[in-house]
Amino acid sequence: GAGVSQSPSNKVTEKGKDVELRCDPISGHTALYWYRQSLGQGLEFLIYFQGNSAPDKSGLPSDRFSAERTGGSVSTLTIQRTQQEDSAVYLCASSLELFPYEQYFGPGTRLTVT
Amino acid sequence: TQLLEQSPQFLSIQEGENLTVYCNSSSVFSSLQWYRQEPGEGPVLLVTVVTGGEVKKLKRLTFQFGDARKDSSLHITAAQPGDTGLYLCAGEGPNSGYALNFGKGTSLLVTP
Repeated sequence: GAGVSQSPSNKVTEKGKDVELRCDPISGHTALYWYRQSLGQGLEFLIYFQGNSAPDKSGLPSDRFSAERTGGSVSTLTIQRTQQEDSAVYLCASSLELFPYEQYFGPGTRLTVT
Repeated sequence: TQLLEQSPQFLSIQEGENLTVYCNSSSVFSSLQWYRQEPGEGPVLLVTVVTGGEVKKLKRLTFQFGDARKDSSLHITAAQPGDTGLYLCAGEGPNSGYALNFGKGTSLLVTP
């Protein structure tokens, strides 16, 4: 079956521009997570959604970052006024329900801010 | 502050050698997971260890969870080039709810 998909796979943007990253989770998975992976920092949690509950935004690094999940399926991560330190690979994962259910990761979006 | 410390950071070995990767923390975890990530792809779950002292085997990979549930190790026997990748440990963190806290990973290169 289809796994988690993310688009675009690569995004180059100029400092100060806004970007939107998309995640299509596995059908039927109620939980969706966003992580960021950068050199020297490893993989860090950003935000997760579970069903219709309010998302856990505790990992978002600043108010320039936001995310939404429409209809309990597709999610969009938006970064406003991008900075060079936002350059990283943004990974999305979904799971049947919250941990300890296995999280399935997408291939990520590589964001480069110039 | 990194909740999970992995060592070594990099490891380059020849095919057929054995190796051990460590994942340590000062915090207690209800469980720890090990993932493997290849370039351009997301991490893929290898195993979840839940009980202190637990040992799980996956072909040539042996995973151990420390008795105090603060550390874990991954041992690979007779490494093969196909084992090359980034090995990540992750735990359900005390402050992250249901999200995972990841170590920075061990990058393994196995050459023929």
